Amino acid sequence: NAGVTQTPKFRVLKTGQSMTLLCAQDMNHEYMYWYRQDPGMGLRLIHYSVGEGTTAKGEVPDGYNVSRLKKQNFLLGLESAAPSQTSVYFCASSDTSLAKNIQYFGAGTRLSVL
Amino acid sequence: KNQVEQSPQSLIILEGKNCTLQCNYTVSPFSNLRWYKQDTGRGPVSLTIMTFSENTKSNGRYTATLDADTKQSSLHITASQLSDSASYICVVSATGGFKTIFGAGTRLFVKA
Repeated sequence: NAGVTQTPKFRVLKTGQSMTLLCAQDMNHEYMYWYRQDPGMGLRLIHYSVGEGTTAKGEVPDGYNVSRLKKQNFLLGLESAAPSQTSVYFCASSDTSLAKNIQYFGAGTRLSVL
Repeated sequence: KNQVEQSPQSLIILEGKNCTLQCNYTVSPFSNLRWYKQDTGRGPVSLTIMTFSENTKSNGRYTATLDADTKQSSLHITASQLSDSASYICVVSATGGFKTIFGAGTRLFVKA
């Protein structure tokens, strides 16, 4: 009963490097989300998807791209990492709209950009 | 401006004691309010979800209340246990779209 799985758990990048964070869910959820969590702040939505092949911008999308080629996977990409992107990234999924249902979160990816 | 403010920022209590965490919000139009528990190094886990018409929701030793008129919610933890040490996050969603605001959380420490 895996739920939402994120890989990798930790990563250190140098400024300008690129990487992809992978999120996989096994609950057949339509909706998936990427958040970042910074000290002293609430989680902020980066991008989200309401179904396979769809993506949309959230509150803080700049510097990130996403893809949802398969229903169970949601990828978050950083094309040119910056120190301001040092954060903990959480993926989540939900059965229906965020306004109507609870979300299930992954364990997070801790990213440091030097 | 849509905001969710939680208090206190942190709290230390002795095992077995009760505590209450507060959440004030200005998110409008209101859809629902949730409380999540986040253990260190883990993702948030849902505790309760309340809509406009609900003013109390319980989940074991956790009881959430909602006053939609004053836009306040509280999370009461009864007979605290060491495993209750975590951050508790209040999340408020507006109707329509994906307008959901996360509070910064209250960090609870339960000591033996």
